[in-house]
Amino acid sequence: EVQLLESGGGFVQPGGSLRLSCAASGFTFSKFVMSWVRQAPGKGLEWVSAVSGSGDKSYYADSLKGRFIISRDNSKNMVYLQMNSLRAGDTALYYCAKDSVVQGVMNHWGQGTLVTVSS
Amino acid sequence: DIQMTQSPSSLSASVGDRVTITCQASQDISNSLNWYQQKLGEAPKVLIYGSSNLETGVPSRFSGRGSGTDFTFTISSLQPEDIATYYCQQYGNLPLTFGGGTKVEMK
Repeated sequence: EVQLLESGGGFVQPGGSLRLSCAASGFTFSKFVMSWVRQAPGKGLEWVSAVSGSGDKSYYADSLKGRFIISRDNSKNMVYLQMNSLRAGDTALYYCAKDSVVQGVMNHWGQGTLVTVSS
Repeated sequence: DIQMTQSPSSLSASVGDRVTITCQASQDISNSLNWYQQKLGEAPKVLIYGSSNLETGVPSRFSGRGSGTDFTFTISSLQPEDIATYYCQQYGNLPLTFGGGTKVEMK
C-alpha cells in the first residue's frame, strides 16, 4: 500500500525558513516523479514543485522560483521542500503527492502538513 | 502558464441527479486533463485522468470527456457520498495548473 507522510510544518515568522519532509513507502520510490501541492485555508489547490525520479530535474511554479527548493533522497525514500524567505501568502496545507506512470497525474497524496507564516 | 477556468464554482443537486462540471484551458492541452475529488478534511483523489480514463476503483457514475481546450466532468447519478469539491488539472504544460474548483452540495 502506498503511503506518504509529510512532516516539518509549523509556525514561522515572515522571512523565515522551513524544510518539509515526505516519507514514502509501498512503491519503488526512485521510479516516480514526486510533487508538492499546497492549499491555502479555504482556497483551491496550487501545484508548487516536482522532482524527477532520479532527482536530476526539478520544476517549480513560476511564483516560487528562487525561494523554494525541492530535493529527494532515493536511499531513504524521502522528498523534501526547502522553503526560504517565507511570506504570509505561503500559509497553506502542503501535500506531498506521487505521480502515476503518467507524469502529471498525481494518484497518491499524503494528508498534508500545515505551514503558518505570521508575525 | 495555462489558465484553467472551471464552472460553476458551486452547485446544489438532489440524489440521483446528473451533474456536469466544465473546465476550459487557455490553450490547447490535447487530452492532458485530470479530475480530482476532495472531500472535507481529506486529501484530493484522482477520479479521471487523460480526460476520460477512469482511475482504478472509481465508480462508473463518474466520467469525463473533451480535448483541446474544452472538457466536461459528469456524475451520472449523484450519491450522498459524492458531496465534495471537484478540481480539474492540466498536465499538458508545466507548471501544472488547477481549476478553481466546484463545490457540489446536496439539495
